[in-house]
Parts: sequence; structure tokens; C-alpha cells
Amino acid sequence: AQRVTQPEKLLSVFKGAPVELKCNYSYSGSPELFWYVQYSRQRLQLLLRHISRESIKGFTADLNKGETSFHLKKPFAQEEDSAMYYCALSGDTDKLIFGTGTRLQVFP
Amino acid sequence: DVKVTQSSRYLVKRTGEKVFLECVQDMDHENMFWYRQDPGLGLRLIYFSYDVKMKEKGDIPEGYSVSREKKERFSLILESASTNQTSMYLCASSSLTVNTEAFFGQGTRLTVV
Repeated sequence: AQRVTQPEKLLSVFKGAPVELKCNYSYSGSPELFWYVQYSRQRLQLLLRHISRESIKGFTADLNKGETSFHLKKPFAQEEDSAMYYCALSGDTDKLIFGTGTRLQVFP
Repeated sequence: DVKVTQSSRYLVKRTGEKVFLECVQDMDHENMFWYRQDPGLGLRLIYFSYDVKMKEKGDIPEGYSVSREKKERFSLILESASTNQTSMYLCASSSLTVNTEAFFGQGTRLTVV
């Protein structure tokens, strides 16, 4: 079975502070992992995917198969990063499963 | 510009009514999804379709059914709406390509009274 766990419902930081949003997964096969973001009054949209190994809006995420984690990090948070962040996993069948989400609040 | 369009932004229905939520995508995607989004529970997959007339149950299919007669359209049906089905419903689509991005609709906020 596929499962995604995001232990934090809310993460509050001040502008300029580092951010780490945690994501752990459970899947017996080879997972495809993603981070999606939902800004206020906007659609849910892809932020980044593990296969790309890219930095988007200053965010990075590294897949750690040993710890089954895919944490999202940013060294210096900005106010415009305030949003709801969802970690997601896709397995062999293309079924896309999401975690419970973490709300990031960045204070000025 | 890619598009996933849900037919209604807001719906209010009475308990026991049969409710149809419609979703259309214009990207020729094979995969389509229905989720419900609730605070503290995240996005929970209701049903998934990987081809016309093909469907697979998600994590919370009880009380719901789906229909996919055409590739671009995926309908979610609440056979007999109940108050615990009050929620935000999100439709999404994706292609069969590995590590593909899923595109989401704007959501339908359904209230069952």
C-alpha cells in the first residue's frame, strides 16, 4: 500500500529563517515523489518532483530511500512562501496519493 | 494553457439527493482523479481512472461512484448525498508519462444540508 505522512500540520517561521517541511513515505516499489503547493485562492500546483533534482523558488527536496523521506527545504523563507504544501507519491499504477499537508506561515 | 475544469465552484444539495460533479480536461490525459480535501485530512483519493471506462477505487470510495465514458470527462456521483460528504472536491488529470505532473481543477465546494 502507498502511504505519505506529513507530521506537521502547521509550521511558522520568520522571514529569512530556514524551512524544512517533513515528508515520509511507505511504498514497497520504486516511488515517484512530488511536492505540490496551494497558495491562497489558487489551484493546487506542482512545486517539484524528485526525479528532476531541481530547485524551484529556492526549494529543494532530496529523496532518501534509506529513511523513506522526501523533506522539502528552503534556506531563507519569504513571505510569499506562505501556503499549504502537500507531499505526494505515485507508484507503479500511476495512482497519486497525498499526505495530510503542512501549512507554512512566514511572518515578516 | 492546460486546463482542468470543474463544472461548479459551489453546490448546495439536500440530504438524499443524487449529486453529479463533472470534470473536463483538454490535455488528452489518460489518468483522471477525484479527491476530497478536508482540513487536517489533506487530499484523499476517492477514485482514479486510467482509461475510458476503467476505474480503480481510492482510499475512500464508499458512498461515491464514477463514470468515464469519454477520455476528457470524469464524473463523480454521490448516489445519496449525506452531510458527511460536505467537502471540497478536486479533480485532476495526468498523462501516462513517468513522473508526470498532475493538473488540478479549481475545486467544487459541496455543502449537503
